[in-house]
Amino acid sequence: EAGVAQSPRYKIIEKRQSVAFWCNPISGHATLYWYQQILGQGPKLLIQFQNNGVVDDSQLPKDRFSAERLKGVDSTLKIQPAKLEDSAVYLCASSLAQGRYEQYFGPGTRLTVT
Amino acid sequence: AQSVTQPDIHITVSEGASLELRCNYSYGATPYLFWYVQSPGQGLQLLLKYFSGDTLVQGIKGFEAEFKRSQSSFNLRKPSVHWSDAAEYFCAVGPNNNDMRFGAGTRLTVKP
Repeated sequence: EAGVAQSPRYKIIEKRQSVAFWCNPISGHATLYWYQQILGQGPKLLIQFQNNGVVDDSQLPKDRFSAERLKGVDSTLKIQPAKLEDSAVYLCASSLAQGRYEQYFGPGTRLTVT
Repeated sequence: AQSVTQPDIHITVSEGASLELRCNYSYGATPYLFWYVQSPGQGLQLLLKYFSGDTLVQGIKGFEAEFKRSQSSFNLRKPSVHWSDAAEYFCAVGPNNNDMRFGAGTRLTVKP
């Protein structure tokens, strides 16, 4: 079974530029999550989708971050414009459904904002 | 509000020695508790989880954890560490499997 795929793996941009990350969850997984992991910290949930609907985006900085999952499968996370403090690893995870189902994590995208 | 504290930022143990990683949580009800491992350049992998029942939980790779409600702790243990166990370990707490709060992590170094 293929795992969660993310691209790109690494990205370096200048502040005020925009960037987009892509995630393809495990086939058949209805729930998709985006996390931000700043160096030295644990992952922080940014947004959770159930199929193509948003379940929780309470910690997403909506003035600059956006995410979509239009067809209920793959998802994109965008930052526009980026700030220095956005430097982090962005992790995507998926689970079969909400509730007691395990989350499976992708390898992450390491973003450096200069 | 739920929160997780991992008191040890970095731990070094010798290969073959026993290991205990500490995790303390703050949560208003009976929590769901998790331990994840993250190897360099890889995503997080679930080691074990506690929802209810037996407070001693067995996980993958020879790890176990014990839920102690009176101490608000969920410490991770392994009787004999292997060099391949070197990684970052995260404890997480939540009301379910979806809304987890992670600790800051403990980095494990294994000496030959």
